[in-house]
Amino acid sequence: AQSVTQLDSHVSVSEGTPVLLRCNYSSSYSPSLFWYVQHPNKGLQLLLKYTSAATLVKGINGFEAEFKKSETSFHLTKPSAHMSDAAEYFCVVSLYNQGGKLIFGQGTELSVKP
Amino acid sequence: DTGVSQNPRHKITKRGQNVTFRCDPISEHNRLYWYRQTLGQGPEFLTYFQNEAQLEKSRLLSDRFSAERPKGSFSTLEIQRTEQGDSAMYLCASSLVSASGANEQFFGPGTRLTVL
Repeated sequence: AQSVTQLDSHVSVSEGTPVLLRCNYSSSYSPSLFWYVQHPNKGLQLLLKYTSAATLVKGINGFEAEFKKSETSFHLTKPSAHMSDAAEYFCVVSLYNQGGKLIFGQGTELSVKP
Repeated sequence: DTGVSQNPRHKITKRGQNVTFRCDPISEHNRLYWYRQTLGQGPEFLTYFQNEAQLEKSRLLSDRFSAERPKGSFSTLEIQRTEQGDSAMYLCASSLVSASGANEQFFGPGTRLTVL
C-alpha cells in the first residue's frame, strides 16, 4: 500500500536559517511525489513535483526536494527561511494506477521566528 | 480568475439537515476530485470523476454522501442528514490527465462545514 510519513509535526526555525522538512514514502510503484503548502485560510498550493526525471527538484519560492529511492525519502529544503514561509506543508504521493488520487502526509507546521 | 472555485466558502448547519457544495474546476480539466480535511490532519480522498463519470468512491463516503458532475463541468457534493462528525473542510481539486502521468492537481479554497 502507498503511504507517506512526515517525520515532524512541527518545525521551528529562525528567519534566514535553513529549512528541512522530512518525508518518507512507501510505494509499490515508481511514485509521483509532491509537496503542497497551505497558508492559513488559503487553498493548497503546489510547491514542487517529482515525476521520475531529475532526482533534485526545484520548486517555487526557493524550495527544493531530493528524491532518494534507496532511502525512500523526499525531504523538502530551503537555504534561507523567510517569515512568509510560515505555513503547513504536506508531502503527497500520487497513485497513478488509481486515478491519480493523492495520499497526503499528516503535515508539518513550519514556524519562522524573527 | 481561472482557478478552481468552491461555493459556499462557509456553511453552518444543524444536525440532520442536508447541505450541498459546489465546485467549478479549471475549464479544460477533465478530472475532478473531492477531499475532506479535518483539523490537524492532511486531506483525505473522497471521490473523483473523469469527465462526467464517477470512477471511485472512498469508503469514507457513506451512503449519506453523493457527488455528481453533470456534463463533466462543475460538480456538487451533497451530504444528507448531517452529523457533527461531518464537520470538516471539503476540498475540490481538478487536473488534466497527461501522458507523463504526473497528476498535478489544482485545489480550490475549500468549503468549511460546521454541523451544530
